[in-house]
Amino acid sequence: NAGVTQTPKFQVLKTGQSMTLQCAQDMNHEYMSWYRQDPGMGLRLIHYSVGAGITDQGEVPNGYNVSRSTTEDFPLRLLSAAPSQTSVYFCASSYSWTGGEKLFFGSGTQLSVL
Amino acid sequence: TQLLEQSPQFLSIQEGENLTVYCNSSSVFSSLQWYRQEPGEGPVLLVTVVTGGEVKKLKRLTFQFGDARKDSSLHITAAQPGDTGLYLCAVYNNDMRFGAGTRLTVKP
Repeated sequence: NAGVTQTPKFQVLKTGQSMTLQCAQDMNHEYMSWYRQDPGMGLRLIHYSVGAGITDQGEVPNGYNVSRSTTEDFPLRLLSAAPSQTSVYFCASSYSWTGGEKLFFGSGTQLSVL
Repeated sequence: TQLLEQSPQFLSIQEGENLTVYCNSSSVFSSLQWYRQEPGEGPVLLVTVVTGGEVKKLKRLTFQFGDARKDSSLHITAAQPGDTGLYLCAVYNNDMRFGAGTRLTVKP
């Protein structure tokens, strides 16, 4: 059972570089989301999707782009990395988006921007 | 101001002790979830509570949803080193929002 798979596990970028964090789930979940986790701040929602072709902004969307062309994949793009984007990023999915559903998380990507 | 306030932020106890951590808000929610996160991993769901006053037990963990559905508590009886982790509460408020968590360390 793969569940939610995130790659890479670790990444170091220089300021201004771009990159894509990959997220894939094999559970046919409608809802997928990206969070960042910083010390003392908990998990903050970046972007989310309630189905293929549908995305929306969360609490902290600036500096990040997403797209959802398939049910399985939900990549997160950093167009021009900044030191403030140093964080641990988690992708999560759930069967539906109606609330109260169990969220399944990937194991995270630790990103450092120098 | 965060939607969910968790306390304490840090808690370090000896094996065998009891503890309670809290998740508070001024808003009313239809349900509330508790997750546990271990180092290097994503959070894992422990429980969902949906009814005001509801109590759910998971082995030595007891979860309670406040009568007004604004707050929740997690009580651990006879804590063990395996309970060490970050405990997060979460609610659905147009999207899923998390508290900052309580980082629990249980020393042998």
